[in-house]
Amino acid sequence: NAGVTQTPKFQVLKTGQSMTLQCAQDMNHNSMYWYRQDPGMGLRLIYYSASEGTTDKGEVPNGYNVSRLNKREFSLRLESAAPSQTSVYFCASSGDSMNTEAFFGQGTRLTVV
Amino acid sequence: GEDVEQSLFLSVREGDSSVINCTYTDSSSTYLYWYKQEPGAGLQLLTYIFSNMDMKQDQRLTVLLNKKDKHLSLRIADTQTGDSAIYFCAESGSFSGGYNKLIFGAGTRLAVHP
Repeated sequence: NAGVTQTPKFQVLKTGQSMTLQCAQDMNHNSMYWYRQDPGMGLRLIYYSASEGTTDKGEVPNGYNVSRLNKREFSLRLESAAPSQTSVYFCASSGDSMNTEAFFGQGTRLTVV
Repeated sequence: GEDVEQSLFLSVREGDSSVINCTYTDSSSTYLYWYKQEPGAGLQLLTYIFSNMDMKQDQRLTVLLNKKDKHLSLRIADTQTGDSAIYFCAESGSFSGGYNKLIFGAGTRLAVHP
């Protein structure tokens, strides 16, 4: 039972570098999300995708882009990393009903120096 | 706007009860959730309560909901060292087109000591 798989688990970038965080789920969920977790601030939604081919901005989208490649995969791209993007990033997916459990990946710890 | 607030830390003795509190602002939230995050891991759903309920009990866990005050609490009976984790309160925001919008609090770090 893989659930939600994120790669990489750790990454260090220099300011200005780009990278893509990968996420895949095997639960046939339509909805997928990217959150960032910072100390004392809970999880903040960056982008979400309600279905294949659609993406929408969340609370903190600036500096990020996303791509819903297919139903399974939802990637997050940092085009020009900044120290303010140092965080732990979580991908999640959920089903379509009003009450549906969100399943989270293990997280990617990103440090931008 | 939507907001969820929690205290950041709670320390309890092993065997005692823990009570983690949360306040939320969106009165239209249909479901309220408690997620648990262990060190180095993602979040896992612990329990949830439907907004028309006042209480829900699940083994050692008791969830109380006061809709009037928009206050949610999680009580863990007989707290064990394995309960040490960060606990997140979350409310479900507006549902449209299959989007289950979860608004998370900052998380309460529970430390259990002997």
